[in-house]
Amino acid sequence: DTAVSQTPKYLVTQMGNDKSIKCEQNLGHDTMYWYKQDSKKFLKIMFSYNNKELIINETVPNRFSPKSPDKAHLNLHINSLELGDSAVYFCASSLRRDLSTDTQYFGPGTRLTVL
Amino acid sequence: DAKTTQPTSMDCAEGRAANLPCNHSTISGNEYVYWYRQIHSQGPQYIIHGLKNNETNEMASLIITEDRKSSTLILPHATLRDTAVYYCIVRVAHSNSGYALNFGKGTSLLVTP
Repeated sequence: DTAVSQTPKYLVTQMGNDKSIKCEQNLGHDTMYWYKQDSKKFLKIMFSYNNKELIINETVPNRFSPKSPDKAHLNLHINSLELGDSAVYFCASSLRRDLSTDTQYFGPGTRLTVL
Repeated sequence: DAKTTQPTSMDCAEGRAANLPCNHSTISGNEYVYWYRQIHSQGPQYIIHGLKNNETNEMASLIITEDRKSSTLILPHATLRDTAVYYCIVRVAHSNSGYALNFGKGTSLLVTP
């Protein structure tokens, strides 16, 4: 009964490949997020969706495309993977986007290694 | 956006209180202070948040100074499982009314036996 789950946990792939990371939340939340944690351990927001609508899109290469089939799922597709994409990607969800006091719940992360 | 400043690392003996400070001198009146932690190889975990008043929950206490320019997270009886990186965050509002968490470098807390 994991609240926010991600698959896969580990992903090792070659440069130039296309890969997807899936995220699902069973909390009934409206808003979902993707964060990236690089090798220096900085966590940065990439995208946020609210009820399948994109509401935050940080300066991320357009090789990264989030997709939200429904409000419980937010997948991250990455085209033409580069070495610099190696990082841990965290999915998160929160009840509503417009609450400044909203708490975010994070998934366990997906460690992506590009060779 | 209000920035936060935290010590890079701290040690605490098991069973003792861990007091983690955070400076946020540019915080504005309607911004909340949040604390999250990240245990090694796990996703960040919410701890507590507050606006003006001190707050307490089952995990920790949050003491915010009267001028709101700094705060302290208190873990009253630290255990080895509290070893983690602790992030003090002021909520960031994006222009299209979405909120994201702006994680800084945090404080690496080591609880020792």
